[in-house]
Amino acid sequence: AQKITQTQPGMFVQEKEAVTLDCTYDTSDPSYGLFWYKQPSSGEMIFLIYQGSYDQQNATEGRYSLNFQKARKSANLVISASQLGDSAMYFCAMREGGYSGGGADGLTFGKGTHLIIQP
Amino acid sequence: GAGVSQSPSNKVTEKGKDVELRCDPISGHTALYWYRQSLGQGLEFLIYFQGNSAPDKSGLPSDRFSAERTGGSVSTLTIQRTQQEDSAVYLCASSGTSGVYNEQFFGPGTRLTVL
Repeated sequence: AQKITQTQPGMFVQEKEAVTLDCTYDTSDPSYGLFWYKQPSSGEMIFLIYQGSYDQQNATEGRYSLNFQKARKSANLVISASQLGDSAMYFCAMREGGYSGGGADGLTFGKGTHLIIQP
Repeated sequence: GAGVSQSPSNKVTEKGKDVELRCDPISGHTALYWYRQSLGQGLEFLIYFQGNSAPDKSGLPSDRFSAERTGGSVSTLTIQRTQQEDSAVYLCASSGTSGVYNEQFFGPGTRLTVL
């Protein structure tokens, strides 16, 4: 079974609209961390936001927020007021163990969502 | 400060040859990771180092793959007797020990093409 599932291979969104990118995860470890990365066409992986399994509140970083629904095992990324520069691949990832995924193990990535922002 | 650097940025090799990919992590980062990104498999975690030791090598795709890290800094991923299915972008990342979530910073990758 896949540990990270991103069900949207591609999305087209109008500039300035809000975007929700879906991510569901599967783990039996009570301690884990969820991460979102952005990969523009240049290929670099850019860290966006993190949510720990023990965090009581949804994470926010500027225009990015994470809609964390622990019981449903979902960690959707919300981008408010989308911009043309948001066009990229977006990856959801998980690390199990440590405190809220704070260990040194590698990340397990989903297949990604290709987001295209249209003017 | 300098980010994670990788060399070469592109490598084209013939099937059966050995290749070495290099990663230079952010100065002071104790953890170093190797990932592989390919169209068919997405992003796969290969191996990580804490200092110079790799606690778990089970993510390496086959025994043709090996990795080492010396001096707690530079790491080399070696692929022996390359096969066409090894063609992919190999990404390196590093993280420090500060911060509860140990964010990983990625390098630009090495694009490997096996002919």
